[in-house]
Formats: sequence, structure tokens, C-alpha cells
Amino acid sequence: DTAVSQTPKYLVTQMGNDKSIKCEQNLGHDTMYWYKQDSKKFLKIMFSYNNKELIINETVPNRFSPKSPDKAHLNLHINSLELGDSAVYFCASSQEWRRSDTQYFGPGTRLTVL
Amino acid sequence: GQQLNQSPQSMFIQEGEDVSMNCTSSSIFNTWLWYKQDPGEGPVLLIALYKAGELTSNGRLTAQFGITRKDSFLNISASIPSDVGIYFCAGQPNTGTASKLTFGTGTRLQVTL
Repeated sequence: DTAVSQTPKYLVTQMGNDKSIKCEQNLGHDTMYWYKQDSKKFLKIMFSYNNKELIINETVPNRFSPKSPDKAHLNLHINSLELGDSAVYFCASSQEWRRSDTQYFGPGTRLTVL
Repeated sequence: GQQLNQSPQSMFIQEGEDVSMNCTSSSIFNTWLWYKQDPGEGPVLLIALYKAGELTSNGRLTAQFGITRKDSFLNISASIPSDVGIYFCAGQPNTGTASKLTFGTGTRLQVTL
């Protein structure tokens, strides 16, 4: 009964490929997030969705496209992968957008682009 | 963009010792948070602070919201091996809004027996 789950845990792919990472939360939360953690462990928000609607969109290349089919899922699709996309990607959720201080994180997806 | 600087970057201490770390910002935050990340896992919220000067404890952990609103401190008393991990501060400019969290640079803690 994992609260926030991500698949896959590890993803190794070639430059130029397109890949997707899936995220699901069973907490009944309204708001979900995607973060990128680089090799220096710096954690930076990419997107946030509230009830399937985009509410935060940081300066992220448009090769990254989040999709929220319902409020329990927020998937991340990446086109034309580049070497610099290698990182750990974390999904998170919070009860609602007003409670973005208390976020529950998934275990992360380590993406390696060769 | 904004960045929160944490100090020290890493610490190597003995079991039973007390630990102190801090986080500073160039701008004001109205919410300060401390998260811990275990190896191979996502961050987990330890303590949330909502008022300048506030001191809050969670077991052996105590955190303080600096009165200038530009810093926060975390203390761990009598450290144990499971305290190993990376500790992140995070700030939010406005409480109760959709404003994003800005995370600090992290303090890596290693504990020896």
C-alpha cells in the first residue's frame, strides 16, 4: 500500500529516444508534482497539477510534457532525450494546492541517457 | 532563481553526538520546512515551521524559524546510525498558496558507531 509510487525505478536509454515515467498516489490528494534532482542532489520543481489542471510550470524545455488523466495520476513524457536529462525524477503529492508545504514524495526514477 | 544555502555541506560524526545545521536565504520565506532523504528514496517531511521565532520538535529533532525569516536551523540530539541521509531545508514565500517549494542545497550526514 505504497502512498506515492513511480515506474520504472530505473530507466536507461539512448539519446534521441522518447520515454515516459508514471506516477500514482493512493492518498486521495488533489495536487501532484514532478521534481528533478541533479547529480549534486539539487531538487527543483518542474510541474504541479491540481485536480488535473496545470498550476505550476517552471522553465522546463517543451520536450517535457506532463499528463494527468485523473487526479491520482501524473505521468511525465520526455521527447528527444538529451544527455543533460540524466537525473533522478521524483513525483510528489499534497492534500491540496493550499497545503503544498506538506508533500509526500515517491521513491524516484533514475533516468540515464547514453 | 532563488536558492537556499545549507551549511555544512556534509558532516561525519560519531553516534551519540549532537548535530546542528542551518539554511540561509537571500529573501524572506513565510514557511520553512525540513525534509530528510534516505539513500535511494524520496524526501520525507520532518518538521514544518510557520511563524518567525518558532521552535518545533519532533523526537530528537528540533528546528527553528529564524526571526529575520531568512534562515532556519535544525538540531539532532544524540545521533544514531539511522540518522544517516541528506537533510534538505525548503522554503515557501507564502503560506496556504500554490507557491512552489524552494529546496536547499542539502547537508549530507554520516554517522559512525
